[in-house]
Amino acid sequence: SQTIHQWPATLVQPVGSPLSLECTVEGTSNPNLYWYRQAAGRGLQLLFYSVGIGQISSEVPQNLSASRPQDRQFILSSKKLLLSDSGFYLCAWSPGRLATNEKLFFGSGTQLSVL
Amino acid sequence: SQQGEEDPQALSIQEGENATMNCSYKTSINNLQWYRQNSGRGLVHLILIRSNEREKHSGRLRVTLDTSKKSSSLLITASRAADTASYFCATVALRGGFKTIFGAGTRLFVKA
Repeated sequence: SQTIHQWPATLVQPVGSPLSLECTVEGTSNPNLYWYRQAAGRGLQLLFYSVGIGQISSEVPQNLSASRPQDRQFILSSKKLLLSDSGFYLCAWSPGRLATNEKLFFGSGTQLSVL
Repeated sequence: SQQGEEDPQALSIQEGENATMNCSYKTSINNLQWYRQNSGRGLVHLILIRSNEREKHSGRLRVTLDTSKKSSSLLITASRAADTASYFCATVALRGGFKTIFGAGTRLFVKA
């Protein structure tokens, strides 16, 4: 069966420090991968998605970047965190064989607090 | 943006009552999905309805889709305390392919 791992669960970082969040998927190949951010009590904002190794689509211009160095690995990074980067970050995957997304499988999320 | 509003923002009901949540969107869609999120956790997919469908059922869930009004509703029948969570609709645009855009969600509280 497929599983998605996202870590760490919580992270407290000072303003100006770097960030690296990692997400890996097991049990499937060539998944579509996603990073979302959720502000407290709000909906999800799509940050990045990837349909293949090295292929990254950015949805919102911001202080963050994403990379997909391996088929089932998706990394969210920042060189210098801002206060506004605080939030709940969620990684998700969907089957890559379909032409259209019909279901996303989410990780358990990372609560990032930038102080 | 692709996504519109969900209403109500919050809903409090008694166990056994039905809960109805509504979702509106702005663009032509391929499909619409509903997800559930327990506090501080990831989202879980509940049900999908395609643009050529008008109604779907899954257990105690009933979803309707009105593409002429660009709206959908999620009905949870005979609610239970365990249904307490946030519920989100998400759309995939007609030519959106892999992008899934979420609404702001409805927070449901079911009192025992």
